[in-house]
This record gives sequence, C-alpha cells and structure tokens, in this order.
Amino acid sequence: GAGVSQSPRYKVAKRGQDVALRCDPISGHVSLFWYQQALGQGPEFLTYFQNEAQLDKSGLPSDRFFAERPEGSVSTLKIQRTQQEDSAVYLCASSLRQGGGNQPQHFGDGTRLSIL
Amino acid sequence: GENVEQHPSTLSVQEGDSAVIKCTYSDSASNYFPWYKQELGKRPQLIIDIRSNVGEKKDQRIAVTLNKTAKHFSLHITETQPEDSAVYFCAAFSGTYKYIFGTGTRLKVLA
Repeated sequence: GAGVSQSPRYKVAKRGQDVALRCDPISGHVSLFWYQQALGQGPEFLTYFQNEAQLDKSGLPSDRFFAERPEGSVSTLKIQRTQQEDSAVYLCASSLRQGGGNQPQHFGDGTRLSIL
Repeated sequence: GENVEQHPSTLSVQEGDSAVIKCTYSDSASNYFPWYKQELGKRPQLIIDIRSNVGEKKDQRIAVTLNKTAKHFSLHITETQPEDSAVYFCAAFSGTYKYIFGTGTRLKVLA
C-alpha cells in the first residue's frame, strides 16, 4: 500500500478484556516499530521487529503486552487483561532498512484504545 | 537511561515570525535526529532530519541545527503560516533500535 495502515482506528474495551491491534507496514519495509502515545505526550517505544524477528521488546510495559510479526510483514500487538492505564494511542511505524536508525520512519494513523 | 528534553511545551507566534524549538539529549551515542509534525488526530509526519556528521540542514522554511558537544538540537521555522500550527516532536536515535521522543511543543501561529 501507499502508507502504513493500522486497524481498527478506534477500539473501546472493558477492563479485563483482550484486544488485538493490527499494523500493515509499507510493502518491503524491513523494520517495524510499535509505540504507545499517551494524551499530550510523545510516542514511547514499545518494541522493534527486523523482518519477523523481534529484536527489542524492552519497552513493553508488562507481560500482558505481546507483539508478533510472523511472516515479516503484518504485525499484531496484543494486550491481555486490559487495564485503564492501557488507554492510549498505539502507533506503528516502518522503515525500509534494518537497524532502525539513520532513516525515516513512516507512521500509521494509530489505534486509539479506550479502556472503560 | 536515554532522555530527550524538549522546550517550550507551547509556543505562540504571529504569522510571518520565526519559531524555534529546542531539544537536548542524554545519550552521546545518538547519531540521528528527526523532527515530526503531528496534527490533531493524525499520524506524526517527518518534516526534517539531521545526522550526527552534519551541523545544520535546511529545507525551504525549515532548518535544524545540531550541537554534538552540547548535545542539543533545534528546529527553526521561518515565515510561519497558520498551517504550521501543530504539535512538533523531536527524537533521538539511541544506537540500538530505539527512538526516544521529546514531550512535544504545541505551536500556534496567530493570523
């Protein structure tokens, strides 16, 4: 596609439910990032994939958060037993080459997650 | 850990004036510094970036300067227009796989 696509755009869930957020990066992009953006804050790094390999997951807040990219393209961020503090915009970004740095990141529009 | 501080948090300027946003970073290994513009409810859009081997880069009305010794970099927007109104984020690439973002500057250009 022309850009990074994320779905759904909005997700409302009750506390304790599981949610799954999808990211479809730009075709051929090796690097994929997930970020969490709280209201009025900058994006905070969650995890990084190089193709299908998850090379850095140090930003995941707890073991309730899980991400995968099984075929090196589409990625899913799953949050189990959601809590109110999980409410945020979840952004996905992709870059052409491996390694992440020294190259532009292309962001999706994000998924706005609200936990009631 | 790595940290990026961004100032000011809000900035109002008259149309046609210049705007300057400043960021400092803590990781001396950082080597790539992008700036993003984010309009309300929209995705962050890269507007300019600079690598650590360059001191200044300019693209029409937008410029970025980098001082590696002091570990700070700045965004300069000249001849501001109402459509420049948005939240601007600086970021630093830490050398592993992480981008560390600043907390954002809400720029308002008053017509």
